[in-house]
Amino acid sequence: SAVISQKPSRDICQRGTSLTIQCQVDSQVTMMFWYRQQPGQSLTLIATANQGSEATYESGFVIDKFPISRPNLTFSTLTVSNMSPEDSSIYLCSVEGPRGVYEQYFGPGTRLTVT
Amino acid sequence: GDSVTQMEGPVTLSEEAFLTINCTYTATGYPSLFWYVQYPGEGLQLLLKATKADDKGSNKGFEATYRKETTSFHLEKGSVQVSDSAVYFCALISTGGGNKLTFGTGTQLKVEL
Repeated sequence: SAVISQKPSRDICQRGTSLTIQCQVDSQVTMMFWYRQQPGQSLTLIATANQGSEATYESGFVIDKFPISRPNLTFSTLTVSNMSPEDSSIYLCSVEGPRGVYEQYFGPGTRLTVT
Repeated sequence: GDSVTQMEGPVTLSEEAFLTINCTYTATGYPSLFWYVQYPGEGLQLLLKATKADDKGSNKGFEATYRKETTSFHLEKGSVQVSDSAVYFCALISTGGGNKLTFGTGTQLKVEL
């Protein structure tokens, strides 16, 4: 299975600022995913990031708010822009497993608190 | 759209007790069903899966059977251990749902000595 690391593991930020979350995988993968887990809620897919193309965003999420980079097959970043307290969540990245999107491996998550 | 409903936690059990965490789903097409587990401080890990009706997924003593007639995928374990304390997420993926994972809200399990 893939080993995924995320930085930072947690952060406390002021409203109006931006935070960039990094996701590093120990092997090359085609598809990477970014999820948000709001307090007491389930995981919600933000976007799918394929190397060499623009990220595909789910309904309710826009590129201006959550810009994503995917410069190579082992790395991706998610930026949370112009933050508000409603952005306080755990942000997780995941990658497809050897059986494709039907089996995903997740990073440990980034716990973001916006004050 | 697709949705997953699982029982609310936290669930607190004594070691060696029997565990059931209920999960029901709504999906278009024929979904694949999953249980993910998140141990404290770690990322989600795939625990088990079932891809068609009547399939039974199993791993680490946990089992779940894909019941199409009741649209359920309940997680069971005959004898829990303290090390099973974690948050358990039921999830599905369906072609009608755009091939993306849809998660339940998670159930926290606490096992005490």
